[in-house]
Amino acid sequence: ETGVTQTPRHLVMGMTNKKSLKCEQHLGHNAMYWYKQSAKKPLELMFVYSLEERVENNSVPSRFSPECPNSSHLFLHLHTLQPEDSALYLCASSQWSSYNSPLHFGNGTRLTVT
Amino acid sequence: KNEVEQSPQNLTAQEGEFITINCSYSVGISALHWLQQHPGGGIVSLFMLSSGKKKHGRLIATINIQEKHSSLHITASHPRDSAVYICAVRPLIQGAQKLVFGQGTRLTINP
Repeated sequence: ETGVTQTPRHLVMGMTNKKSLKCEQHLGHNAMYWYKQSAKKPLELMFVYSLEERVENNSVPSRFSPECPNSSHLFLHLHTLQPEDSALYLCASSQWSSYNSPLHFGNGTRLTVT
Repeated sequence: KNEVEQSPQNLTAQEGEFITINCSYSVGISALHWLQQHPGGGIVSLFMLSSGKKKHGRLIATINIQEKHSSLHITASHPRDSAVYICAVRPLIQGAQKLVFGQGTRLTINP
């Protein structure tokens, strides 16, 4: 149990589908993150939420839409994705007020776009 | 060129061998993280350090701020150490929580 739970673990979707990834953290953290990990590339930060407000959006296409309804939950809504969006999507959390708070990661959602 | 470079990219060794993974970075940092990613995908934080050396079990992490270099060592390696090891830095000029990641080192320990 990592303290950060992601569902589903695997997702296969067509380019016209709409789906959502869910992340939940039980660590009392106030910052949550979405990262994308593609094959043979470093982790890429997509979105950061601190105290439920989006503080960073790293030029992510609008077909990815994050939602943070409270400090424990984070969603990534997906629509009209492209095959190149196939990747491992990782959620993480940390304590924003602590400058060097370590990140706690979930196990990720392996997304395949067909 | 990535701001964080790891070497080697792939490493295969026999059980019991001493392992060293290197990380070099090009920016001023406030902290450096070593992370471990197992085949299932989940990432675990191993170390966070800003100076000197830290040890946890068979794992040792060192950092030289002047040379912008860090190493992760594994003593008496075991097949369960097989994973991808990722170095990440928190640049001084970036936002407080932004990390820049290396591409990872895939370690395979054979029995």
